Amino acid sequence: AQTVTQSQPEMSVQEAETVTLSCTYDTSESDYYLFWYKQPPSRQMILVIRQEAYKQQNATENRFSVNFQKAAKSFSLKISDSQLGDAAMYFCALLSNFGNEKLTFGTGTRLTIIP
Amino acid sequence: DTEVTQTPKHLVMGMTNKKSLKCEQHMGHRAMYWYKQKAKKPPELMFVYSYEKLSINESVPSRFSPECPNSSLLNLHLHALQPEDSALYLCASSLDSVSQPQHFGDGTRLSIL
Repeated sequence: AQTVTQSQPEMSVQEAETVTLSCTYDTSESDYYLFWYKQPPSRQMILVIRQEAYKQQNATENRFSVNFQKAAKSFSLKISDSQLGDAAMYFCALLSNFGNEKLTFGTGTRLTIIP
Repeated sequence: DTEVTQTPKHLVMGMTNKKSLKCEQHMGHRAMYWYKQKAKKPPELMFVYSYEKLSINESVPSRFSPECPNSSLLNLHLHALQPEDSALYLCASSLDSVSQPQHFGDGTRLSIL
């Protein structure tokens, strides 16, 4: 069974500052994918960033980057230069690459941006 | 703008009604998904269609009936729902069902009276 754990139910950050959201996971597979999704109050789930487990290089998308520690099964999201539009619920998710079509989500972290 | 379109955005229905939720994508994706999301919780997978065939049914009650008429359309037929079925219903699609990121629609907010 796959599990994803987000230990921070809520986080807040000052506008323009940097914040890191934590995620740990567990899987018996060696080949898998990790994602961060953002869900603002408008409710659409938006893909923020994706990491393939076989890649050692950490993924980066503009102000968003991850710290992927495969041995520790850790996948944190760093948001630099936080903006008001970053306020949302952030979900970490895991997808196995061995015929398992289920995307396993963490419980989410609600991020508040302080102006 | 989302590339996965869900209609209606809001739906209020009685427990004896029959209604349908619709999801459409034109990205050429061959996998489509229905999720149920309660407030402040992550989405819970209900169904997966892969190449228009149902590949996963997560022990969903029979009052929810999915249908995939073609590769671009996914429906969720609702009948005799219970108050606890009130939730946000999200549709998603991906290029295939393994390894590809899922793209979500805006969801249908369903309220059962």
